[in-house]
Amino acid sequence: EPEVTQTPSHQVTQMGQEVILRCVPISNHLYFYWYRQILGQKVEFLVSFYNNEISEKSEIFDDQFSVERPDGSNFTLKIRSTKLEDSAMYFCASSVTRMGEQFFGPGTRLTVL
Amino acid sequence: QKEVEQNSGPLSVPEGAIASLNCTYSDRGSQSFFWYRQYSGKSPELIMSIYSNGDKEDGRFTAQLNKASQYVSLLIRDSQPSDSATYLCAVKSRETSGSRLTFGEGTQLTVNP
Repeated sequence: EPEVTQTPSHQVTQMGQEVILRCVPISNHLYFYWYRQILGQKVEFLVSFYNNEISEKSEIFDDQFSVERPDGSNFTLKIRSTKLEDSAMYFCASSVTRMGEQFFGPGTRLTVL
Repeated sequence: QKEVEQNSGPLSVPEGAIASLNCTYSDRGSQSFFWYRQYSGKSPELIMSIYSNGDKEDGRFTAQLNKASQYVSLLIRDSQPSDSATYLCAVKSRETSGSRLTFGEGTQLTVNP
């Protein structure tokens, strides 16, 4: 069964460093998303991406964040200058249609020291 | 007012019982509704989607939607210890171009053998 994959599973970085989180969405899906979940809190939307552009972003997704689909399979989230409060699980998701079911990857645990 | 509110847990049921999980949402424009299961430290796993009023059954799971009351529920019949997890209600509004999912805080379910 096709699934969303994410790498790395765990990333440790120093405050102020740049990190890139990688995702491979399900191959026939057209809509891609990033969510995050701070420990003990609810899952929060960051950004959605369709047709090679951002279709929606949340207030969390400020100038330090960017997304890219560098080739036909990968979808990346870059955090330019990490802060302590960026420590969270970051989930990538994808869907076939805009209103359809979103399937989540296993997540990347980001720890900012 | 929270956008998506779930009945506060934790919820504990004996093995074989019916577990009932409830969710209300504030946005009347919401069009798509989803239940996810999340084991500790793992990513959300899609259980059910429901788009129109009424019941939708899939195996031991039944989702119920009442748009007039802005209410969606999940029933788990013949609960098993492996059903012990946090259940997340997620809602998608047609008003947002990017189709973000808005999650509730989750209800933790424990099924006792």
